[in-house]
Amino acid sequence: EDKVVQSPLSLVVHEGDTVTLNCSYEVTNFRSLLWYKQEKKAPTFLFMLTSSGIEKKSGRLSSILDKKELFSILNITATQTGDSAVYLCAVKSNTGNQFYFGTGTSLTVIP
Amino acid sequence: DAGITQSPRHKVTETGTPVTLRCHQTENHRYMYWYRQDPGHGLRLIHYSYGVKDTDKGEVSDGYSVSRSKTEDFLLTLESATSSQTSVYFCAISSGTPNTGELFFGEGSRLTVL
Repeated sequence: EDKVVQSPLSLVVHEGDTVTLNCSYEVTNFRSLLWYKQEKKAPTFLFMLTSSGIEKKSGRLSSILDKKELFSILNITATQTGDSAVYLCAVKSNTGNQFYFGTGTSLTVIP
Repeated sequence: DAGITQSPRHKVTETGTPVTLRCHQTENHRYMYWYRQDPGHGLRLIHYSYGVKDTDKGEVSDGYSVSRSKTEDFLLTLESATSSQTSVYFCAISSGTPNTGELFFGEGSRLTVL
């Protein structure tokens, strides 16, 4: 059974802290791994990773994929209250172009 | 923003009534999806389409049917709504391009079945 597991389920930090969100997966016919941010509305796309060891970076957010150990991490440095959201990890399969989602990590950043 | 429109955005209905949710895209993407999102379960795939009149089931397809008669429209129908189908429904699209082709979401439709 294909599955995507995220940890922790929730996280509360203070502004300025650095956080690491984890995503592990078991998906047959893996194509890529994606990260999304969801704030009370539709998920918005952050990153797509297809190759191991190559970091993707956007401002204070960065992510890396390990295809051997089947996991990815999303790092957020110098957190701000605007980073408060649910972060979703998804794996794209070559089979039917399907996307499998984890249940998400809820991040709360306290001023 | 990807051109995806869902309608209605909010609906309250009674158990046993039929409900149809509509998803319309202006991106000409090949793949369209319907997900439901519930606390503790994340996003779960209901049905998806890989072309006009080509659809397949996802992990939670029982009680739902879909149709895609045009590239731009993907309809989700609950033939006889039940309270367990109270949820937020998201339509999503993807070009299907292997190394890009990320998933873009509509704004969601909140359905309450009384």
